[in-house]
Amino acid sequence: RKEVEQDPGPFNVPEGATVAFNCTYSNSASQSFFWYRQDCRKEPKLLMSVYSSGNEDGRFTAQLNRASQYISLLIRDSKLSDSATYLCVVNGNNFNKFYFGSGTKLNVKP
Amino acid sequence: EAGVAQSPRYKIIEKRQSVAFWCNPISGHATLYWYQQILGQGPKLLIQFQNNGVVDDSQLPKDRFSAERLKGVDSTLKIQPAKLEDSAVYLCASSLDPVRPETQYFGPGTRLLVL
Repeated sequence: RKEVEQDPGPFNVPEGATVAFNCTYSNSASQSFFWYRQDCRKEPKLLMSVYSSGNEDGRFTAQLNRASQYISLLIRDSKLSDSATYLCVVNGNNFNKFYFGSGTKLNVKP
Repeated sequence: EAGVAQSPRYKIIEKRQSVAFWCNPISGHATLYWYQQILGQGPKLLIQFQNNGVVDDSQLPKDRFSAERLKGVDSTLKIQPAKLEDSAVYLCASSLDPVRPETQYFGPGTRLLVL
């Protein structure tokens, strides 16, 4: 079983829509969770950390569900510029080691 | 502040040839990572250095891949001989604190095509 699994999408949504992605992780001992954004042919960049209490940054909200072992990313009022691949990152048994999901592709259309 | 530098940006080689990639991390970042990202997949860690020591190379195919970090700064990743399945983007990243990936920054990557 993969450490981190994501729906590859693509999610095709109109501008202004709300969209949510989930990411499941296999290691119940994982403590650190993050969402990265990767634009086409670019390197990944940190979007936000996911805290136990949830985390909100403008139109973006990240949540953690430990019982079901998944994290989520909610994007409100989608913009064309939100089109990208969103990568979920989770640490393993070794806090030093992090696993990337395969990413969920989002296309925001006019 | 200068970011992570990588070269070359693109490389096309034939199978069984050798290739080397170079990375210069952000100044002061003791931790350096090499990732392989195959099209449609997330980055996979190949090797992690802390200064010039290897912390994790469990996913590095050691029969063909090698990496070194001279003097704890620049790093090179070599593939010898290359296979078709090595076609990927090779990302170098560096971080200030290995247990806090929010301090990790990626370079632009080297796109490798093996024919």
